[in-house]
Amino acid sequence: QQQVKQSPQSLIVQKGGISIINCAYENTAFDYFPWYQQFPGKGPALLIAIRPDVSEKKEGRFTISFNKSAKQFSLHIMDSQPGDSATYFCAARREGGADGLTFGKGTHLIIQP
Amino acid sequence: GEEVAQTPKHLVRGEGQKAKLYCAPIKGHSYVFWYQQVLKNEFKFLISFQNENVFDETGMPKERFSAKCLPNSPCSLEIQATKLEDSAVYFCASSQWGMNTEAFFGQGTRLTVV
Repeated sequence: QQQVKQSPQSLIVQKGGISIINCAYENTAFDYFPWYQQFPGKGPALLIAIRPDVSEKKEGRFTISFNKSAKQFSLHIMDSQPGDSATYFCAARREGGADGLTFGKGTHLIIQP
Repeated sequence: GEEVAQTPKHLVRGEGQKAKLYCAPIKGHSYVFWYQQVLKNEFKFLISFQNENVFDETGMPKERFSAKCLPNSPCSLEIQATKLEDSAVYFCASSQWGMNTEAFFGQGTRLTVV
């Protein structure tokens, strides 16, 4: 049973546009929701993360929106650039640092110049 | 070190052979995690350690997979009698103690079983 569902699987956005990736989770014990960016041949790198006590977090061009009642969260990339082309993964984890992350299946994002 | 170091970068094994992967976590990090990423990008959590102690091994196929994190040595993930389906990229990550701490990932080891 997949605990974190991510959509879309792939996304093409024009340069300067807004990229939106959505995730939904099932386990109400999840308490930490990071987004990772992965380039080919590299390990995932943390972009931005949120806890469910806030509904939105913004860092530069990246914003997470969080809806606790709907058990959904999304990543918005404003002013998308070709360098943002990568695979993005949402993830979730229970409270505490030692639990493994449960990942979504990833979104392959292409920003067209 | 300031990054998670994984070796080797690539590993090719014949079906049935043993594979051993290594991970040096970031100095000062108490937690180490192993993940398997298969071709369609999906990550599977395998095991986590708190220092040298196994914390959660619910994702490990125990009959062939084993892992260790011993003091003053790189952590290791060993696969006995590899199967074709073990072909994947194996990532190690480490993090500090505490809530909401970032997990830093290594560059991965690509295992190909032929």
